[in-house]
Amino acid sequence: GEDVEQSLFLSVREGDSSVINCTYTDSSSTYLYWYKQEPGAGLQLLTYIFSNMDMKQDQRLTVLLNKKDKHLSLRIADTQTGDSAIYFCAEKGYQKVTFGTGTKLQVIP
Amino acid sequence: NAGVTQTPKFQVLKTGQSMTLQCAQDMNHEYMSWYRQDPGMGLRLIHYSVGAGITDQGEVPNGYNVSRSTTEDFPLRLLSAAPSQTSVYFCASRGSRETQYFGPGTRLLVL
Repeated sequence: GEDVEQSLFLSVREGDSSVINCTYTDSSSTYLYWYKQEPGAGLQLLTYIFSNMDMKQDQRLTVLLNKKDKHLSLRIADTQTGDSAIYFCAEKGYQKVTFGTGTKLQVIP
Repeated sequence: NAGVTQTPKFQVLKTGQSMTLQCAQDMNHEYMSWYRQDPGMGLRLIHYSVGAGITDQGEVPNGYNVSRSTTEDFPLRLLSAAPSQTSVYFCASRGSRETQYFGPGTRLLVL
């Protein structure tokens, strides 16, 4: 079945850039997503990229997609303490969306 | 436009009890799904539906039933709760623009 993998934890200093990485196995993925989950809350869609794109930028967020290597990354520029959360990578195959385990981002003031 | 709503927010059950987690959306989305979130395991798909009258199993369907009689509602039923079903449950819906919206979650504790 489909598999999505992420590292579990990332720590950065406030003002630095954060890069969260994700790999997936489904070669028929159509959309790839990044979600943010703050403590005790649901998942908030941050951004998504269509599989025929290789980059998408939205303010402080940059998504890079390497379809050949099935690698997706999320770069957060000028990371703030409010960016501390769990970030989930997800991919959409034929009908289902499969999520990674989430990366907990800790921002040190 | 309320988006995706879930009730209850919290629930405590005893082993063997049954209950239904409610989910509703007002965006006229065809696709709806249920996930459970457990520490270190991310979100795992329980069941999903691509439209009224159509449901299918996800990754972890055992112990759960669903039905989809209307476009708006997608309830999740636990027929005989077990401690292994202690988790946070999220309902989601997705429209034609491929963006998936999540409800606020239901925290379930099975004793």
